[in-house]
Amino acid sequence: DVVMTQTPVSLSLAIGQPASISCKSSQSLLGTSGKTFLNWILQRPGQSPKRLIYQVSKLYSEVPDRFSGSGSETEFTLKISRVEAEDLGVYYCWQGTHFPYTFGAGTKLELK
Amino acid sequence: QVQLQQSGAELAKPGSSVKISCKASGYTFTSYYISWIKQTTGQGLEYIGYINTGSGGTNYNEKFKGKATLTVDKSSSTAFMQLSSLTPDDSAVYYCVIAAMGYWGQGVMVTVSS
Repeated sequence: DVVMTQTPVSLSLAIGQPASISCKSSQSLLGTSGKTFLNWILQRPGQSPKRLIYQVSKLYSEVPDRFSGSGSETEFTLKISRVEAEDLGVYYCWQGTHFPYTFGAGTKLELK
Repeated sequence: QVQLQQSGAELAKPGSSVKISCKASGYTFTSYYISWIKQTTGQGLEYIGYINTGSGGTNYNEKFKGKATLTVDKSSSTAFMQLSSLTPDDSAVYYCVIAAMGYWGQGVMVTVSS
């Protein structure tokens, strides 16, 4: 199975600061279709995960543009240009290229 | 709007089975596969498998073969997951997900205890 490694494990930031989360995969996530199925989700405390980004860098329609995703092959990054209170929670990357699909262990974003 | 409404929490005894449901609305049910995900504090998020909601065809993570059985009822736009021969290790929150659209259900907590 593809191993997804996220760093850091946790982030403590003040409102308005930028955030950056890394996600590395043990194999290239570039599929035979030419697409890279790397996704990001956010799980706020006590809630189910919510969609953020798909195919590395595509934001879902309701996601604020302070979020961005980048990367290729085995290295990916989620960035938040300026953290807001509603951004707190655990961020997960997950891959949908190789079955079984697999998830990172999560990065917890907390308020400083 | 797309919604995945899951059934309520389950308390089950070791060795028994549970069947949880995921009722979809707001889109054409047979247009997207439904996946199932297990979340625990210790193991994090694990992918169980998916079901083709049109044909009923399934694909399981090897780890969950024999544990999970995925089915659908197209007439009610509902997907089901049965978990059998339950042990305390099956205690978790289980989500149904439309991976292609990124939508998650609210989750079902399953607790296995004697």
